[in-house]
Amino acid sequence: DAGVTQSPTHLIKTRGQHVTLRCSPISGHKSVSWYQQVLGQGPQFIFQYYEKEERGRGNFPDRFSARQFPNYSSELNVNALLLGDSALYLCASRNRGYGDEQFFGPGTRLTVL
Amino acid sequence: GENVEQHPSTLSVQEGDSAVIKCTYSDSASNYFPWYKQELGKRPQLIIDIRSNVGEKKDQRIAVTLNKTAKHFSLHITETQPEDSAVYFCAASGTSGGSYIPTFGRGTSLIVHP
Repeated sequence: DAGVTQSPTHLIKTRGQHVTLRCSPISGHKSVSWYQQVLGQGPQFIFQYYEKEERGRGNFPDRFSARQFPNYSSELNVNALLLGDSALYLCASRNRGYGDEQFFGPGTRLTVL
Repeated sequence: GENVEQHPSTLSVQEGDSAVIKCTYSDSASNYFPWYKQELGKRPQLIIDIRSNVGEKKDQRIAVTLNKTAKHFSLHITETQPEDSAVYFCAASGTSGGSYIPTFGRGTSLIVHP
């Protein structure tokens, strides 16, 4: 059974550009969360979606947006990229909104030049 | 919002020794406390978790304790092995309308010397 998958694995963008990151949860999982992990720090929560509805939003600017599709996959969009957006972006899935173990994907390494 | 402090930032032990990592949290509404292990270049993986209605939980060489009054929880690893070397993160979260919004600590780099 496949785990959480993310694409692309690595991405290099320049300041001001836009990026879309994709995540497919474990089959049967309906909740997807996105995290930003800067080198040397813990993951920082960005969004949670459950049953295609936004259930939580972290302290990130409006340049960050996300959505969840009917098949429970998800996209994270970041507009007007800044150098400080360079990080590992992790997606995690769980079966329900709360109460189940969260499984992380391998992440997308975003570098903004 | 929730604030999680994690100490130490680096922990170096000899193989076979015990290791203890401590976290404090600020929001008394937090009721779920997972611990993750992240090896270099890999994804975080849950190693143990504890809920606020329990004071201690063990899984082989790993144990977690929770003191709700003092708002701190700790990870204990006994008989450490070189493969335990990794970065360990604690997290704290509550629930609100079915949402799950964990706050992570900054991590502890555990180095186990053979």
